[in-house]
Amino acid sequence: NAGVMQNPRHLVRRRGQEARLRCSPMKGHSHVYWYRQLPEEGLKFMVYLQKENIIDESGMPKERFSAEFPKEGPSILRIQQVVRGDSAAYFCASSPSDSANEKLFFGSGTQLSVL
Amino acid sequence: RKEVEQDPGPFNVPEGATVAFNCTYSNSASQSFFWYRQDCRKEPKLLMSVYSSGNEDGRFTAQLNRASQYISLLIRDSKLSDSATYLCVVNWGHFNKFYFGSGTKLNVKP
Repeated sequence: NAGVMQNPRHLVRRRGQEARLRCSPMKGHSHVYWYRQLPEEGLKFMVYLQKENIIDESGMPKERFSAEFPKEGPSILRIQQVVRGDSAAYFCASSPSDSANEKLFFGSGTQLSVL
Repeated sequence: RKEVEQDPGPFNVPEGATVAFNCTYSNSASQSFFWYRQDCRKEPKLLMSVYSSGNEDGRFTAQLNRASQYISLLIRDSKLSDSATYLCVVNWGHFNKFYFGSGTKLNVKP
């Protein structure tokens, strides 16, 4: 049973380009969370999605960032016109349901570097 | 006030020592609690859930104090491999949002 899969592991972009980060949840999990972690800082919640629905995007910057979790395929975190401040580790996590007692399982993360 | 607060440390302890971390949370209606471990530049991994009655897993003991809104993690007989950042996680239940503390760094020295 494969865990949460994220790709790419490392992504290098120049300022102004677009970054697409992918996350495939664990088998049987329909809830996906995205977190961002800056160096030497904690994880910051970005967005919570279920299949085809954004449940909570209160942690997403208002501009340039978007997320989706289509009926088929992985969840995508998209960052348009990247800036140096977007450089961070982006972690995806999944859970099987919306029960408060469910645990989160994390992918290995995507390290985004903006030149 | 932050949703979840932790002492960042670092806690520098010798092998074999007992070390304890606390974490406070702001929402008294929080429903579930966890400790995660994060090694440098890697993904967080679940260490243990925290139950109201307290729970133990080998050398690790977790406690929840709802009245004072804090949870604790006790590590006995520290190993070099315990060196990591320990993240306190609280789920409010509402919208199933998980809040992470900034982490407490533990360094176990030989």
